[in-house]
Amino acid sequence: QVQVVQSGAEVRKPGASVKVSCEASGYTFNNYYMHWVRQAPGRGLEWMGTINPSGGSTRYAQTFQGRLTLTRDTSTSTVYMELSSLRSDDTAVYYCARDSRRSYYFDHWGQGTLVTVSS
Amino acid sequence: QSALTQPASVSGSPGQSITISCTGSSSDVGGYDYVSWYQHHPAKAPKLIIYDVRNRPSGVSYRFSGSKSGNTASLTISGLQPEDEAHYYCSSYTRSSRVFGGGTKLTVL
Repeated sequence: QVQVVQSGAEVRKPGASVKVSCEASGYTFNNYYMHWVRQAPGRGLEWMGTINPSGGSTRYAQTFQGRLTLTRDTSTSTVYMELSSLRSDDTAVYYCARDSRRSYYFDHWGQGTLVTVSS
Repeated sequence: QSALTQPASVSGSPGQSITISCTGSSSDVGGYDYVSWYQHHPAKAPKLIIYDVRNRPSGVSYRFSGSKSGNTASLTISGLQPEDEAHYYCSSYTRSSRVFGGGTKLTVL
């Protein structure tokens, strides 16, 4: 069955970077875009960007341009989300979510990774 | 891209029906039949409950239904049950990216 498993919680100081992983299994990794979505405390879901595992092309939300980098390792079926120049308002739960091949929705989600930015 | 507009909260008693609206623009909700809805319980991953405006994934209760008129999509939950208490988010495709609503807290009284 499809599984999407994320790495564990992280704590960073302001100005630092964080890299979160998302390992996929149970399907052909290259065939499905992967997205990243975050939820800050008391806030709603926010779309961050997406990566095409086949080729590695990416698209980022304007809000994160210049700070967000999505990459993938096809040998381990893993995608990575790296966010730099962290601020306190980047404290959030970060989710990876698989895109449907048939249409535009997220059909499988990771369990979430809490990133805390604090001095 | 601005977030889609949802009511902050709705409530209903067990057995009743509620509707959550999701208002966007012609660039997102109104421009494509690619609206999806997600149920989000605290400390859990969001769960897809409606896709392409009105379609239910396998395993999702028939009590959940979706519709759209113009720039506004709606999620209706009939026969409310205590386990329906959660946050609900709409999402839409827009210009090669995605946008979410602000989320609606459903309270089952």
